[in-house]
Amino acid sequence: DAKTTQPTSMDCAEGRAANLPCNHSTISGNEYVYWYRQIHSQGPQYIIHGLKNNETNEMASLIITEDRKSSTLILPHATLRDTAVYYCIVGDGGSQGNLIFGKGTKLSVKP
Amino acid sequence: DVKVTQSSRYLVKRTGEKVFLECVQDMDHENMFWYRQDPGLGLRLIYFSYDVKMKEKGDIPEGYSVSREKKERFSLILESASTNQTSMYLCASRTQAYEQYFGPGTRLTVT
Repeated sequence: DAKTTQPTSMDCAEGRAANLPCNHSTISGNEYVYWYRQIHSQGPQYIIHGLKNNETNEMASLIITEDRKSSTLILPHATLRDTAVYYCIVGDGGSQGNLIFGKGTKLSVKP
Repeated sequence: DVKVTQSSRYLVKRTGEKVFLECVQDMDHENMFWYRQDPGLGLRLIYFSYDVKMKEKGDIPEGYSVSREKKERFSLILESASTNQTSMYLCASRTQAYEQYFGPGTRLTVT
């Protein structure tokens, strides 16, 4: 079973920030938080990951709470092409570890 | 850019046929994975391999087998296809756990 809880769906206006929450209250000390997304009819795409510090890259920012029990993926200026299912996953980062994909959040960016 | 390619985007097979799904990656990744994705069920891991000739069962291996004779190629085999194996099949590869690269998927229909 996935170790994360995400809302089933969210809407966001084009050009606004999209904030996608994720609860992972049972995360252990050596587990990372990973985010992937899947655009319709494509394979999932890696976005970002973090352990305990906030992270930012060209695609998104990841904010992890101090107790690490929840996190938020931020797309600062959502576009229509960001419409996708977003998966929040926790795992230990080992090279042979498996990533368990839950059902994710369906983000719809509207004009 | 990492590329993971799958032999077909769409495939139609008859019940009882032997089906081969091929996956090739070009980044010398040790780990390769096969998932299936069905509406409402998310991605489920079928098999994975962390080295040539090595394989491990995932969550739903029944009815499937795999082959990894070369590092870059990971094949999924349906020995006798059944209608409940109609699904989207996704291959992935990685070195580090957080950056898993997926292929475009093969939509298999078994009639």
